[in-house]
Amino acid sequence: AQSVTQLDSQVPVFEEAPVELRCNYSSSVSVYLFWYVQYPNQGLQLLLKYLSGSTLVKGINGFEAEFNKSQTSFHLRKPSVHISDTAEYFCAVSGPRTGANNLFFGTGTRLTVIP
Amino acid sequence: DAGVIQSPRHEVTEMGQEVTLRCKPISGHDYLFWYRQTMMRGLELLIYFNNNVPIDDSGMPEDRFSAKMPNASFSTLKIQPSEPRDSAVYFCASSFTGELFFGEGSRLTVL
Repeated sequence: AQSVTQLDSQVPVFEEAPVELRCNYSSSVSVYLFWYVQYPNQGLQLLLKYLSGSTLVKGINGFEAEFNKSQTSFHLRKPSVHISDTAEYFCAVSGPRTGANNLFFGTGTRLTVIP
Repeated sequence: DAGVIQSPRHEVTEMGQEVTLRCKPISGHDYLFWYRQTMMRGLELLIYFNNNVPIDDSGMPEDRFSAKMPNASFSTLKIQPSEPRDSAVYFCASSFTGELFFGEGSRLTVL
């Protein structure tokens, strides 16, 4: 079975500073990895995903993540954050056979961008 | 496309009442999921359908919860009778290629 650990529940960062949101997963099989963002009073939307191929994945709004198999990590990064990036970010993992049918979500990291 | 549409956006009810949440998935999507989000438990998958057929309902907390998908464009999640601990945001999501598209959620408060 898969599971996801988001190490930080809250991350405050100043505007235009870089940010890294950490995500570690556990799985006995190869995995698919996702980052979703949830803005206040909205549903989740996909930021980026890793299915195979290049370990550096670029997503929307200038975010990117790197799949590190040896460290079982999929950390999310942005070199310069904006106020509009304030939101909850969820890391998720699934097995290749089950795909979206069996996504395991982390507990979320609340990113607060300080002016 | 209008995206996944959920109704109502907000529902306040009293303990013991029946609650029905509705979802219209994105046209052409063959998977539909119901999630519940709370501060304590995070995001929990309750049930999902494939081609209108319930595939896995192991996340449904108890018999008070039921979900149906009578056709490809409509699903309901019903709670009867409702209890205060059911208070949460309920999300519907649909999928075709493996990417989940979420609705804006239905915030349920049971007094």
